[in-house]
Amino acid sequence: GESVGLHLPTLSVQEGDNSIINCAYSNSASDYFIWYKQESGKGPQFIIDIRSNMDKRQGQRVTVLLNKTVKHLSLQIAATQPGDSAVYFCAETPLYNFNKFYFGSGTKLNVKP
Amino acid sequence: DVKVTQSSRYLVKRTGEKVFLECVQDMDHENMFWYRQDPGLGLRLIYFSYDVKMKEKGDIPEGYSVSREKKERFSLILESASTNQTSMYLCASSRPLQPQHFGDGTRLSIL
Repeated sequence: GESVGLHLPTLSVQEGDNSIINCAYSNSASDYFIWYKQESGKGPQFIIDIRSNMDKRQGQRVTVLLNKTVKHLSLQIAATQPGDSAVYFCAETPLYNFNKFYFGSGTKLNVKP
Repeated sequence: DVKVTQSSRYLVKRTGEKVFLECVQDMDHENMFWYRQDPGLGLRLIYFSYDVKMKEKGDIPEGYSVSREKKERFSLILESASTNQTSMYLCASSRPLQPQHFGDGTRLSIL
């Protein structure tokens, strides 16, 4: 079956540095990808999404890159702030079942002041 | 802003009890979902619903049932609670092909 995974369970960065969080997926039929942020005691919050017909998408301080050749997704956070400390996870859904998402287990981002 | 409200933040129940977790969304979304979140396992889909009175099993439906009598409300039912159902339960809603919006979760403990 499909699997969505993250390379690093914990990432520590200095405030002001850029952060890169990675995600691998195994289903080549995946068509739509989302990054979520989950702060302690809260539900996941949508950050940014990308469809498979794109390689890159930018938001405010965040960029998502999609490499379909190696089935890899990354989230880049520019000028990381203490408020960015949270667990980040990716989700993907295949073409044949858009209602069903598969979630990675998450990477914890620690921002050091 | 979309608001997904789960009725309880914390809940403690006993083994064998019937447990109801309620979720309400205010954006007229067609799709609603129930997940459980356990450390190291990520979010696992229990059930989802794409319309009133419609439901589909997710990856781990055993021991659970759901009810969607109104578009805005999706209930998760633990028919006979067991200790292995102790977990964080997250409800989400979305339009088709759109990101899911999550509630803040219900931390359920079964003693």
